[in-house]
Amino acid sequence: QITLKESGPTLVKPTQTLTLTCTFSGFSLSTSGVGVGWIRQPPGKAPEWLALIFWDDDKRYSPSLKSRLTITKDTSKNQVVLTMTNLDPADTATYYCAHRRLITSHDAFDIWGQGTLVIVSS
Amino acid sequence: DIQLTQSPSSLSASVGDRVTITCRATQSIINYLNWYQQKPGKAPNLLIYSASTLQSGVPSRFSGSGSGTDFTLTISSLQPEDFATYYCQQSYSPSRTFGQGTRLEIK
Repeated sequence: QITLKESGPTLVKPTQTLTLTCTFSGFSLSTSGVGVGWIRQPPGKAPEWLALIFWDDDKRYSPSLKSRLTITKDTSKNQVVLTMTNLDPADTATYYCAHRRLITSHDAFDIWGQGTLVIVSS
Repeated sequence: DIQLTQSPSSLSASVGDRVTITCRATQSIINYLNWYQQKPGKAPNLLIYSASTLQSGVPSRFSGSGSGTDFTLTISSLQPEDFATYYCQQSYSPSRTFGQGTRLEIK
């Protein structure tokens, strides 16, 4: 059974750096085809894809946020870490990590964590 | 970025109704299109991937179709638990994107 859980601060001040950790079980990030993505969702709005890291350490970022994001993995700890710099109140959202399922050449986020709310405020 | 536009943004329907939600992409994404359902306070839940393949455990009243730029999600006979918000998401581009959502409400 695949599970993921996000952890990190609830309240962050503007201009600070946010570090979120996704701890997962039920799969290995060293297995070919596997990936973990980060998606955020501001209150009352649609999800916004942020970043994706693959088993081979390939990484993809949202073009609009690329300069502020870093995604890394620690395979031995079954963790993926997302760092976002220079936070703004507009970054207030629930942040989710999700398992990327590869089906032939297609993929989808088939299992999601419960999400963690991050509030950016002074 | 590939943009996805869903229509309608909201929809009122009754139990037993057949409903269709549309997702249109700004360029061809072949069939690299997924659909999610989200209920308040919960994470999105994958319903359909590759435009038309039902995720395991999803009721058969849900179906998806389309290719290129135009896609649809159909619920053949609405059940009370189907009232939720639905999102499409493309996996064609290295930069994944979601639609803005369709809120399905009880009439």
